[in-house]
Amino acid sequence: DAKTTQPNSMESNEEEPVHLPCNHSTISGTDYIHWYRQLPSQGPEYVIHGLTSNVNNRMASLAIAEDRKSSTLILHRATLRDAAVYYCILRDFNDYDMRFGAGTRLTVKP
Amino acid sequence: NAGVMQNPRHLVRRRGQEARLRCSPMKGHSHVYWYRQLPEEGLKFMVYLQKENIIDESGMPKERFSAEFPKEGPSILRIQQVVRGDSAAYFCASSLTVNEKLFFGSGTQLSVL
Repeated sequence: DAKTTQPNSMESNEEEPVHLPCNHSTISGTDYIHWYRQLPSQGPEYVIHGLTSNVNNRMASLAIAEDRKSSTLILHRATLRDAAVYYCILRDFNDYDMRFGAGTRLTVKP
Repeated sequence: NAGVMQNPRHLVRRRGQEARLRCSPMKGHSHVYWYRQLPEEGLKFMVYLQKENIIDESGMPKERFSAEFPKEGPSILRIQQVVRGDSAAYFCASSLTVNEKLFFGSGTQLSVL
């Protein structure tokens, strides 16, 4: 019942940028776009989130389309430790609901 | 400031036994979520609790499964009369407020023999 669509898998080379896309054509005006990632044998961890403007933090950047129907998570320099499943999730600004889809499995090649 | 603590890390049960999974949220967090992850699948929401209250249990099977988050102590996910299909990784997460980011524990891997 996820409201986002992501590719099943992507590959990247180490030390190159990675752009992970997410489509959310039914996004509502009060939905934030959240990204989490899950490394092997670990629980998910928060990466970044945004509403309308592009966002940057120490882990990644989030580029949000002007119509908000898609977004892209950008890892500026992929490392082997970035190999994980990346989840794009919509969450209403005042809601607890956090439902995960299948995500994108990122493989980083040395 | 310790993160979300789940124990045990691994739990082995025989069919028909009970499984009790514990989750201590981050200090000051009063919102707890439980998720289940089957092998090679995504996380499935089970239940959302605030201190002493179940807010949303729509993802939890109606029978054999229960969850609590008492005023004192950890949150408990209890599975009675376990079956092989209950074998999965169970993750707990906590948040400071209702719409803050979630912090996840390392999970409990339940194996039912």
